[in-house]
Amino acid sequence: AQRVTQPEKLLSVFKGAPVELKCNYSYSGSPELFWYVQYSRQRLQLLLRHISRESIKGFTADLNKGETSFHLKKPFAQEEDSAMYYCALSSPNDYKLSFGAGTTVTVRA
Amino acid sequence: DAEITQSPRHKITETGRQVTLACHQTWNHNNMFWYRQDLGHGLRLIHYSYGVQDTNKGEVSDGYSVSRSNTEDLPLTLESAASSQTSVYFCASSEGTSGGPSNYEQYFGPGTRLTVT
Repeated sequence: AQRVTQPEKLLSVFKGAPVELKCNYSYSGSPELFWYVQYSRQRLQLLLRHISRESIKGFTADLNKGETSFHLKKPFAQEEDSAMYYCALSSPNDYKLSFGAGTTVTVRA
Repeated sequence: DAEITQSPRHKITETGRQVTLACHQTWNHNNMFWYRQDLGHGLRLIHYSYGVQDTNKGEVSDGYSVSRSNTEDLPLTLESAASSQTSVYFCASSEGTSGGPSNYEQYFGPGTRLTVT
């Protein structure tokens, strides 16, 4: 069975400090991995996907197959990064997503 | 502009009543999904559809049903509402004709907050 674990429910950092959101997964094989974000009063939206290996809004995420992790990182947090972040997984041949429980990030001035 | 809408945005109902939540998308997407969002559980998949007349059960499908009679709509029905179904419900859609799931972002609706008393 596939499972996504986000161990931190809440994360509070100061503006300008690095931020890392942890995501671990269990899956037999090579999954597709994503980070989705929900800003206050906005819809849930895709932040980044591992296959594109891109940096969005300064965030990066590296897939570590040995540790089955896909942690999200940003070197210098900004106040506008305050949001709920979800890690998600899908099978390579499927379109449905399995989400983690989410991490609420608060960036303080 | 193409979009995905949900109605109603807020609903209060009584235990035992049948409730239908609407989801409508104008992107002509093949794939549509229903999730519920609960504190401590994140988003959990209820039902999904990969095309007209196709429906599939997700992780938490008991007590819910869907039907897909056209591309644009995937209504979610709670057969007999229970207090455990108090939640925020999100509908989403994505393409899916070729290329694999990594190419197809899910687009989410604004959500429906359902309270069962």
